[in-house]
Amino acid sequence: NAGVTQTPKFRILKIGQSMTLQCTQDMNHNYMYWYRQDPGMGLKLIYYSVGAGITDKGEVPNGYNVSRSTTEDFPLRLELAAPSQTSVYFCASGPGFTEAFFGQGTRLTVV
Amino acid sequence: DQQVKQNSPSLSVQEGRISILNCDYTNSMFDYFLWYKKYPAEGPTFLISISSIKDKNEDGRFTVFLNKSAKHLSLHIVPSQPGDSAVYFCAFNSGGSNYKLTFGKGTLLTVNP
Repeated sequence: NAGVTQTPKFRILKIGQSMTLQCTQDMNHNYMYWYRQDPGMGLKLIYYSVGAGITDKGEVPNGYNVSRSTTEDFPLRLELAAPSQTSVYFCASGPGFTEAFFGQGTRLTVV
Repeated sequence: DQQVKQNSPSLSVQEGRISILNCDYTNSMFDYFLWYKKYPAEGPTFLISISSIKDKNEDGRFTVFLNKSAKHLSLHIVPSQPGDSAVYFCAFNSGGSNYKLTFGKGTLLTVNP
């Protein structure tokens, strides 16, 4: 059972480039989340979705966009990458009222 | 405005002894409390949780305690094992109509053989 799958695992971007971080889950969860973790910090919520077609901003949404066209997929789009977006990105899914299950993460470096 | 505080960035414990990890929160809307464990280069994994109507929950070597009046959450691991060495995050679910997990900064636990 795959759970939450994120691709790619690593990526180096140049300043100003764009990319999409992919996330898919096979647990039929309504809730999906994108977090970023900076060194020595906790996980900060970027965007979340309570179901297909519904997304909302989290704590640090600037510079990112999301879409949720299906229950399974929740891609995160970075437009005009900046060094401040260098981080480890985690996607998660859950039923909402209890725990969330995380993917392995994407380590992104913007140079 | 930090809603969740894990004031100890690190903790070192001898194998077989008790590990106690602590977390304080300020948001009284939190009604579901969780602990996650994270190894390097992996995603966080769910460990144990407790709802606001309880004050204690046990799962094997792991026990979570909730003191709502003090807004304090703790995780006890006994006996501690070297494989428990990881970063531990407390997390809180705000409930209501939109569920969002809010995380602390984490505590690095090292269990020495």
